[in-house]
Amino acid sequence: EDQVTQSPEALRLQEGESSSLNCSYTVSGLRGLFWYRQDPGKGPEFLFTLYSAGEEKEKERLKATLTKKESFLHITAPKPEDSATYLCAGWVDTGRRALTFGSGTRLQVQP
Amino acid sequence: KAGVTQTPRYLIKTRGQQVTLSCSPISGHRSVSWYQQTPGQGLQFLFEYFSETQRNKGNFPGRFSGRQFSNSRSEMNVSTLELGDSALYLCASSLGHHSGANVLTFGAGSRLTVL
Repeated sequence: EDQVTQSPEALRLQEGESSSLNCSYTVSGLRGLFWYRQDPGKGPEFLFTLYSAGEEKEKERLKATLTKKESFLHITAPKPEDSATYLCAGWVDTGRRALTFGSGTRLQVQP
Repeated sequence: KAGVTQTPRYLIKTRGQQVTLSCSPISGHRSVSWYQQTPGQGLQFLFEYFSETQRNKGNFPGRFSGRQFSNSRSEMNVSTLELGDSALYLCASSLGHHSGANVLTFGAGSRLTVL
């Protein structure tokens, strides 16, 4: 069964304290790995798509990387406004054509 | 540019009732997908509609159904509500058929509470 697992479940950082979120997947035929950010009371907001091992993408303080078995979302010098739940999702192009989401990492950045 | 609009945002129903949720996609987007989000199960795929046709369906019982209109607006219906149907129902639209190449843009969701 296709699975996407995120860790840690929750993370509390001080402003400026860099860290990484992990997304590991056990899906065969992965065709894309998506990262979304979700704020309370809102729908997920797209951040990145990664397609192949070794690929990296950056946006402001966020950088996403992909290996053959996992993806990392690196947060450099986070600010309180980075507090949110970060979701990763895998896309498999066979069988049920839909995103398989992980359970998310709740990030809290304290000033 | 208007985003994905979902109505109603909040609703409360009792067991056995039925509910209809509405989703207006971004202008020009032809694909609408529905996801259920709960604290225990996370985000789970319900179904996708493209050009008024259901293209894909998740592992949900037949009580969950949907449709898409010619203007790409979509509705989902849940009949004979159960307590476990309490969730945030998210609609997402994309330009093309839901694939690894197309980014989903989500609405804010409809929060359903079943009493």
